[in-house]
Amino acid sequence: GQNIDQPTEMTATEGAIVQINCTYQTSGFNGLFWYQQHAGEAPTFLSYNVLDGLEEKGRFSSFLSRSKGYSYLLLKELQMKDSASYLCAVVDSNYQLIWGAGTKLIIKP
Amino acid sequence: ETGVTQTPRHLVMGMTNKKSLKCEQHLGHNAMYWYKQSAKKPLELMFVYSLEERVENNSVPSRFSPECPNSSHLFLHLHTLQPEDSALYLCASSQDSSGAYNEQFFGPGTRLTVL
Repeated sequence: GQNIDQPTEMTATEGAIVQINCTYQTSGFNGLFWYQQHAGEAPTFLSYNVLDGLEEKGRFSSFLSRSKGYSYLLLKELQMKDSASYLCAVVDSNYQLIWGAGTKLIIKP
Repeated sequence: ETGVTQTPRHLVMGMTNKKSLKCEQHLGHNAMYWYKQSAKKPLELMFVYSLEERVENNSVPSRFSPECPNSSHLFLHLHTLQPEDSALYLCASSQDSSGAYNEQFFGPGTRLTVL
């Protein structure tokens, strides 16, 4: 079967750095998305990786290793507004999106 | 209005009621989706429409009935639901329904409670 694993919940301190991991076992791979979802709001696009390596976008970076079936989202200089759920999703060989359950990130002052 | 909108934002219904959820996208996209989001579970894809044609139905119970009258509007008709159907129902759209880079744009969702 297809599976995406992410930690259920993480806690970090304002101003710090946090890394949210995502591992996947899917039938094929055509890219990996990260979305952010604040409580009661729509998921919003953060990043897309299809090649190995690190993609940096401001305070957020996303890393991919296809050989390891692994990605992480790195958030730097954490702000209170970064408290949200972070969803990992993989595009499989049929171009279907396979979603993880999401990681709830709690930022403490 | 911009992006993807959904109405109502909250809905409480009894098991014998009939109600409809509405989604509208203002992005000129060709594909629209219904998802179910339950606490601590992955997003569950329910239906996919591409150019108003249903291209996917992931074995969803018949008490959920989608309708896509045009590429900008999507409905989810609800009939004789069960308490376990209580969840957040998200609508999304994308430029197309296939392809690797297929960023989906989500609406804010309808929080459904079935009593």
